[in-house]
Amino acid sequence: GQSLEQPSEVTAVEGAIVQINCTYQTSGFYGLSWYQQHDGGAPTFLSYNALDGLEETGRFSSFLSRSDSYGYLLLQELQMKDSASYFCAVRSNYQLIWGAGTKLIIKP
Amino acid sequence: EPEVTQTPSHQVTQMGQEVILRCVPISNHLYFYWYRQILGQKVEFLVSFYNNEISEKSEIFDDQFSVERPDGSNFTLKIRSTKLEDSAMYFCASSDGGAQQPQHFGDGTRLSIL
Repeated sequence: GQSLEQPSEVTAVEGAIVQINCTYQTSGFYGLSWYQQHDGGAPTFLSYNALDGLEETGRFSSFLSRSDSYGYLLLQELQMKDSASYFCAVRSNYQLIWGAGTKLIIKP
Repeated sequence: EPEVTQTPSHQVTQMGQEVILRCVPISNHLYFYWYRQILGQKVEFLVSFYNNEISEKSEIFDDQFSVERPDGSNFTLKIRSTKLEDSAMYFCASSDGGAQQPQHFGDGTRLSIL
């Protein structure tokens, strides 16, 4: 079967750094995406890794190791507005296969 | 910044009725998608559409569902004979390329089946 595993919930304090891990097992793999979703909102694209290594976009970075079927999203200088659910998703052919999401709780 | 727009934002329908969910993808995008998210659950792929035909569909996308691009701007999802379990958030997405390009999502249509 196809599966993505990520923690269900992560708690951090404002200003800190947090890492959300994702491991995957899929039949096809073109790349790993990360999306942010606030309650009741649409998924918002954050990053995409097709090759091994680190991609940095402002406060957010994403890493991929294809040999380990593993990636992570790193959020720095956390702000209260970063409180949301974060989903990893594997691009397999045309579709995105989604993880169950990680709820990020940020405390002042 | 260009956006994917979806209408209506909320649709309430009696079980057994047909619904059409509408989407306007980003104008220069060529690939279109429908996903659904049952409350509290993960996002699930339904179908992708390219060059006026379905390019991939999931097991969820059975004969009850159909998609259409009736003109140069709209992309619709039709659900026939709706069931209670069809209640979910339905997201439309589009991208301007294949596997390497990110998919951009609309705000979704909340479908409630009574």
